[in-house]
Amino acid sequence: DAGITQSPRHKVTETGTPVTLRCHQTENHRYMYWYRQDPGHGLRLIHYSYGVKDTDKGEVSDGYSVSRSKTEDFLLTLESATSSQTSVYFCAISESAGNTQYFGPGTRLTVL
Amino acid sequence: QQQVKQSPQSLIVQKGGISIINCAYENTAFDYFPWYQQFPGKGPALLIAIRPDVSEKKEGRFTISFNKSAKQFSLHIMDSQPGDSATYFCAASLAGGTSYGKLTFGQGTILTVHP
Repeated sequence: DAGITQSPRHKVTETGTPVTLRCHQTENHRYMYWYRQDPGHGLRLIHYSYGVKDTDKGEVSDGYSVSRSKTEDFLLTLESATSSQTSVYFCAISESAGNTQYFGPGTRLTVL
Repeated sequence: QQQVKQSPQSLIVQKGGISIINCAYENTAFDYFPWYQQFPGKGPALLIAIRPDVSEKKEGRFTISFNKSAKQFSLHIMDSQPGDSATYFCAASLAGGTSYGKLTFGQGTILTVHP
């Protein structure tokens, strides 16, 4: 998985609780992305980062925030988890815009 | 329009047959069209990609055909094998650094190859 780890790999939480997912890379790639995968929707971009402290919203950013204080780490936070945020979350990295994105192994999140 | 529409949702092929998955896009500014393969429990992995300056790209048994005027591109898997059984996603991204490489994905196709 191109030097990408995600933690935790599985999480069950309750509605209204905050949740933070971590993506860690050892490739020193500039670009990092968070996607969610749901049946019938493919992968949808939540947030992305184009450098340390440089982040922006994607297609489905409501209810999510991100932070990137180091090149290697990109955190996704669900401020107050809802059942609609039950999904599989993937982190991806890319050396430059328009090049191959490499995906992590994913985190399966269930919000009860 | 940022949508990428993919069909079929699922596909069953016999071993040795040809698998064909189609995608259509709206935004003519898209300039990078990758296909990803995903096995259960794993993250997607790049299979093959094309840019609009060519109409076809082949890598082993996998071929992308690109029709710029029709705004369509397709993946052909020749001599399909049971090990090709996976979910396939097409995607597209905009030109230039200001796009930050953001990918728009199709909905996915579940391919099953019977032995």
